[in-house]
Amino acid sequence: EVQLVESGGGLVQPGGSLRLSCAASGFTFNNAWMSWVRQAPGKGLEWVGRINKKTDGGTTEYAAPVKGRFTISRDDSKNTLYLQMNSLKTDDTGVYYCTTIRTAAADCWGQGTLVTVSS
Amino acid sequence: QSALTQPPSASGSPGQSVTISCTGTSSDVGGYSYVSWYQHHPGKAPKLMIYEVSKRPSGVPDRFSGSKSGNTASLTVSGLQAEDEADYYCSSYSGSSNFYVFGTGTKVTVL
Repeated sequence: EVQLVESGGGLVQPGGSLRLSCAASGFTFNNAWMSWVRQAPGKGLEWVGRINKKTDGGTTEYAAPVKGRFTISRDDSKNTLYLQMNSLKTDDTGVYYCTTIRTAAADCWGQGTLVTVSS
Repeated sequence: QSALTQPPSASGSPGQSVTISCTGTSSDVGGYSYVSWYQHHPGKAPKLMIYEVSKRPSGVPDRFSGSKSGNTASLTVSGLQAEDEADYYCSSYSGSSNFYVFGTGTKVTVL
């Protein structure tokens, strides 16, 4: 059974940094494209970024609002996905989900971790 | 990249059908067969219901179906059940950004 467990969320001040982790199990992690999706309070779903598998170049893509501030990485030896978030803004507040990607669709989701950016 | 356009709400009685539209452009919905649909019950993880326009993942009831015409994709839920009451989001690959974009979301109410 595929399991994705996010951690690392919490309260951070504007301008601060936070690193989210996503522990994966139940599938061949190094063969998977992965992504982060978020949902701000009362708002819709928003793609944050994606990382390809290493044999596809391990390349990343980001949504415009986070480009230059967020970095997605992966440690295939630990079956773990990361989201490094810097220069955080209040608009970055929300639940962050880790997902697997298959043919441009997020087919498995974690339960999410809450990030609150507030002074 | 602008969000795809969905109606804010849709509703139907138990047993009826409801169809949700998702309108984009030729750079996303109209240009690729990479439209997906998600069901989201508040407080839970979203669930993939349709991928590649019309394919259902294992375990998704065949009451859920997807289609596309031009720049507009659609999700139809037939034989509405109480548990279908949720928020639904479409998503598409976007060639202009080489990334993905969600729709604005539709709240489905079972009357």
